[in-house]
Amino acid sequence: QLVLTQSPSASASPGASVKLTCTLSDGHNSYAIAWHQQQPEKGPRFLMHLHSDGTHTKGDGIPDRFSGSSSGTERYLTISSLQSEDEADYYCQTWGTGAVLFGGGTKLTVL
Amino acid sequence: EVQVLESGGGLVQPGGSLRLSCAASGFSFSNYGMTWVRQAPGKGLEWVSSVSGSGGNTYYPDSVKGRFTISRDNSRNTVYLQLNSLRAEDTAVYYCVKVDRIGGLGPFDHWGQGDLVTVSS
Repeated sequence: QLVLTQSPSASASPGASVKLTCTLSDGHNSYAIAWHQQQPEKGPRFLMHLHSDGTHTKGDGIPDRFSGSSSGTERYLTISSLQSEDEADYYCQTWGTGAVLFGGGTKLTVL
Repeated sequence: EVQVLESGGGLVQPGGSLRLSCAASGFSFSNYGMTWVRQAPGKGLEWVSSVSGSGGNTYYPDSVKGRFTISRDNSRNTVYLQLNSLRAEDTAVYYCVKVDRIGGLGPFDHWGQGDLVTVSS
């Protein structure tokens, strides 16, 4: 069964880097995902499409500070030079035969 | 510039119906799938339905199958979500999203601003 797992929360200081993880269930290491950001009181925004080999395609206007990588069943979102506006919920999304799935989201606090 | 704009949300009684519309622009509409995603108050994102570029293939999770119907009119660049037999737990902001695939399942790459549906007596 296809499942996406994310840690509920993460925190880092302004100017630092943070790496968020989205884990696919066993046997699904070939799956691509998408990362989405939702700032407080706003709708989600597409960040990138991330493949199992780590290649990724970012959405319109997404800064170079956002990058993606992959290892096995893990998909990562790295945000460098953290800014206050990066404080948000981050969701991963994947798709399979006839269905779409979201992870539970990670709330990133920039403190 | 890609734009998607939802309309049709509002207050409806339990057991009632509502139709959401989503007008899209800025891309070749029939070449891309479209989808609806909802977010209940204080909760995460939940996929609700998807439709292929031609409209010939539709997809639903078990939580809404048989109650919700997605459709599209490619002549009007519009996608619809018909919500029937509404329950309190259907209360959410509903987002219309462009899919970066013609088949309807794939990365969601452009989000609308959302439309609130409240199910309450």
